[in-house]
Amino acid sequence: DAGVTQSPTHLIKTRGQQVTLRCSPKSGHDTVSWYQQALGQGPQFIFQYYEEEERQRGNFPDRFSGHQFPNYSSELNVNALLLGDSALYLCASSFVGSRFNEQFFGPGTRLTVL
Amino acid sequence: RKEVEQDPGPFNVPEGATVAFNCTYSNSASQSFFWYRQDCRKEPKLLMSVYSSGNEDGRFTAQLNRASQYISLLIRDSKLSDSATYLCVVNPAVSGYALNFGKGTSLLVTP
Repeated sequence: DAGVTQSPTHLIKTRGQQVTLRCSPKSGHDTVSWYQQALGQGPQFIFQYYEEEERQRGNFPDRFSGHQFPNYSSELNVNALLLGDSALYLCASSFVGSRFNEQFFGPGTRLTVL
Repeated sequence: RKEVEQDPGPFNVPEGATVAFNCTYSNSASQSFFWYRQDCRKEPKLLMSVYSSGNEDGRFTAQLNRASQYISLLIRDSKLSDSATYLCVVNPAVSGYALNFGKGTSLLVTP
C-alpha cells in the first residue's frame, strides 16, 4: 500500500522565481492538504483540496495556489518566491469520511530560496 | 495566545524512564486531537489519535481533559528509538479541516 508521495525532494530557487510541488495521496484517500514547516516550528496549514476545489485556506498570500486533479493528486504553486518561503512543504492526505480527520504526511519537499 | 501550546523541552531522559508531555489548546470547540512524532528532517507521523475517554497503545497513553483544554502523552519504559519531536495537534471544529500544530516537544532518550 503506497503512502503519500511528493516530488521533488529538494529544490533550490532564487527570489522572484516560481515553483511547483507535487503530491500523490495515499491509496483510498480523496483529500489533500498542504502545510509549510519552517525550521523549529510546527507545520502551518496552507490549504486543503477536495473534489478538485479549494475547501479551506490558511493565512497565506495569493502567491500560494494549488490544484487537485481527478486522480486526487495535487500541486502547490508558489509565485514570486521570497527568502522567507524557504521551508519544508508537506502534503497530507485523508479520507473525507474519516471520523477524526486523521491526516497522513508525505516525506516533504525541502525548498531553499536564495 | 497561540492555539496549541507545548513545552518545547528538550526532555533528556535515560532509557527505561517514564516521560510525560503536556499540551494546551485555546479553542474550546475543538473536535479532534492527535499526537504526531517527527524525526529530524522527516515528515510528521501519526502516533495516536486522542479520544475523550483516553487511550493506550502499548507503552503510550494519551489523555484528554476538555474542561481544562489539556492533552497529555505518557511514554513508559522509554527506548532510544523514542528520541524525536512530539507534536500536539488539534483540529478546531470552527476551522473544519486544518490541523493546528504545536511547536513540538523534543525528547532525547540516552543510554
